Amino acid sequence: EAGVAQSPRYKIIEKRQSVAFWCNPISGHATLYWYQQILGQGPKLLIQFQNNGVVDDSQLPKDRFSAERLKGVDSTLKIQPAKLEDSAVYLCASSSLGRGTSTYNEQFFGPGTRLTVL
Amino acid sequence: AQTVTQSQPEMSVQEAETVTLSCTYDTSESDYYLFWYKQPPSRQMILVIRQEAYKQQNATENRFSVNFQKAAKSFSLKISDSQLGDAAMYFCAYRSENTGNQFYFGTGTSLTVIP
Repeated sequence: EAGVAQSPRYKIIEKRQSVAFWCNPISGHATLYWYQQILGQGPKLLIQFQNNGVVDDSQLPKDRFSAERLKGVDSTLKIQPAKLEDSAVYLCASSSLGRGTSTYNEQFFGPGTRLTVL
Repeated sequence: AQTVTQSQPEMSVQEAETVTLSCTYDTSESDYYLFWYKQPPSRQMILVIRQEAYKQQNATENRFSVNFQKAAKSFSLKISDSQLGDAAMYFCAYRSENTGNQFYFGTGTSLTVIP
């Protein structure tokens, strides 16, 4: 089974520029999460999708961050314009809703995108 | 919202010895799930072990086991026979049955294994 894919793996931009991250979840996983992980801290949920609907985006800085999940599969997270404090690893994860599966309740993480804002 | 607390920012253990990482959580729910995730340096986060709150028996996965104390809201991870490859950040996580599959993470414990 292919894992969660993310791209790019690394991105360096200057402040006030724009950047976009892409995530492809595990096939069949209805729930997709975007997390921000600042160095030395735990993941902070930015947005959670179930299929193509938003379940929770309460911690997403909506003045500069946006995310979409078209057709309930791939997702894109955008930052426009970026600030210095946005430097972090952006993690995408997915999970299954299928109670009959052995991995129900487990989140599978992608490798992350390390963003550096100069 | 639920909160997860890991009070040990850093821990170290001698190779082949045993170490216990602490985690406490705050919730008013009765049905939930608890997890320990491992994140090696610059590598992907992976699941170590999972515990369903309705199960009284502590989960075990090879050298990894948990001590789940539901009344105390405590969920510690024990690593036996520590290996160099166990060095990583360890995150405790909570998932409720009632919040749409949302996970709450602790701040992590950095584990160093000393040869």
